[in-house]
Amino acid sequence: DTAVSQTPKYLVTQMGNDKSIKCEQNLGHDTMYWYKQDSKKFLKIMFSYNNKELIINETVPNRFSPKSPDKAHLNLHINSLELGDSAVYFCASSLSGWEDTEAFFGQGTRLTVV
Amino acid sequence: QKEVEQDPGPLSVPEGAIVSLNCTYSNSAFQYFMWYRQYSRKGPELLMYTYSSGNKEDGRFTAQVDKSSKYISLFIRDSQPSDSATYLCAMRSGGGADGLTFGKGTHLIIQP
Repeated sequence: DTAVSQTPKYLVTQMGNDKSIKCEQNLGHDTMYWYKQDSKKFLKIMFSYNNKELIINETVPNRFSPKSPDKAHLNLHINSLELGDSAVYFCASSLSGWEDTEAFFGQGTRLTVV
Repeated sequence: QKEVEQDPGPLSVPEGAIVSLNCTYSNSAFQYFMWYRQYSRKGPELLMYTYSSGNKEDGRFTAQVDKSSKYISLFIRDSQPSDSATYLCAMRSGGGADGLTFGKGTHLIIQP
């Protein structure tokens, strides 16, 4: 019973295409995130949504647009894909309270732009 | 200077050794400190969580936080080949919606 699931797991596409990655969590968490992990394994936050409201929007090209239809889902749409977008994208979720809030990560979507 | 510095390794040690992994950080607002383990082609999974300064022990793992030095450590006792993975330190200043700031990760290899 997967806690945070992403689809697809692998995505190979050509430059200039538009693609989406979907994420769903069944943990009842109210906050969801997108992180990007580059080829050197550096993991950096891109977006954070709390109860469908955008909280964090780091310096990310506006070709990247997150959408949260409800608090269990957070999708990432990428327009006009570029070679530099190749990376592993991780979705995560947590509770937003100030107490212990473990962030659970999905298994990642490996995006390759050719 | 990056917010969180972590030696990427690789760090190779024999089975049974004590492993010490470290991170330094510059943002004094960080209050919550975590260590994640990431196996190849998998998502990070939380190993240890510490709030503010102090030590926390869980089985073979001990996490230490020294906020005055802006330095955190993870110790692994009796290391096993199955501990071979990338270990990422992570931290945040406020509540969960803040998101995590990660170090670059240390690639650890335990030789049988």
